[in-house]
Amino acid sequence: NAGVMQNPRHLVRRRGQEARLRCSPMKGHSHVYWYRQLPEEGLKFMVYLQKENIIDESGMPKERFSAEFPKEGPSILRIQQVVRGDSAAYFCASSPRVVANYGYTFGSGTRLTVV
Amino acid sequence: LAKTTQPISMDSYEGQEVNITCSHNNIATNDYITWYQQFPSQGPRFIIQGYKTKVTNEVASLFIPADRKSSTLSLPRVSLSDTAVYYCLVGYNNAGNMLTFGGGTRLMVKP
Repeated sequence: NAGVMQNPRHLVRRRGQEARLRCSPMKGHSHVYWYRQLPEEGLKFMVYLQKENIIDESGMPKERFSAEFPKEGPSILRIQQVVRGDSAAYFCASSPRVVANYGYTFGSGTRLTVV
Repeated sequence: LAKTTQPISMDSYEGQEVNITCSHNNIATNDYITWYQQFPSQGPRFIIQGYKTKVTNEVASLFIPADRKSSTLSLPRVSLSDTAVYYCLVGYNNAGNMLTFGGGTRLMVKP
């Protein structure tokens, strides 16, 4: 079974450009979560999606950030007009409908650098 | 969501047993205790989860006292490759409950 796949692994953008981060959940997982991790800090929840629906976006900045999880294809985290403060590691996790005893599965992350 | 408190960092030597304690005084009846491990430049990896008493798997043991206000992750005979950040999380065991990560404990294993 392939794990949670994130791409690209590294992304460099100039200030003002757009960044698109992709996440393909594990097979059979219908729940996707995005987290952001600043250097030397813990992970901060951003948004929780199910297929075609945003369930909770309480951790996502109101401006410039958006997320989707279409019926077909990966989940996308989109950051418009990036600024230096957006530089961070962005992790995606997925879970099945019922988490049971094995928790959530994380991808290896996308490291965004804004120059 | 219950707040967790754990040491910022710990040092150990290869072959030693490491115990990392997490305090969660406000844990709710439905909450499970879950530990994740994160290596540099990687996403967190699930280690172990428990509700009460003791849970053991091939990687670690988790000890939870009767009042459940704390828990201890035990790593037997650590190696250099166990150097990582360890996060203690408390919450419902249901999909859709986003994980709340604290600062974690940075474990440094020395030769």
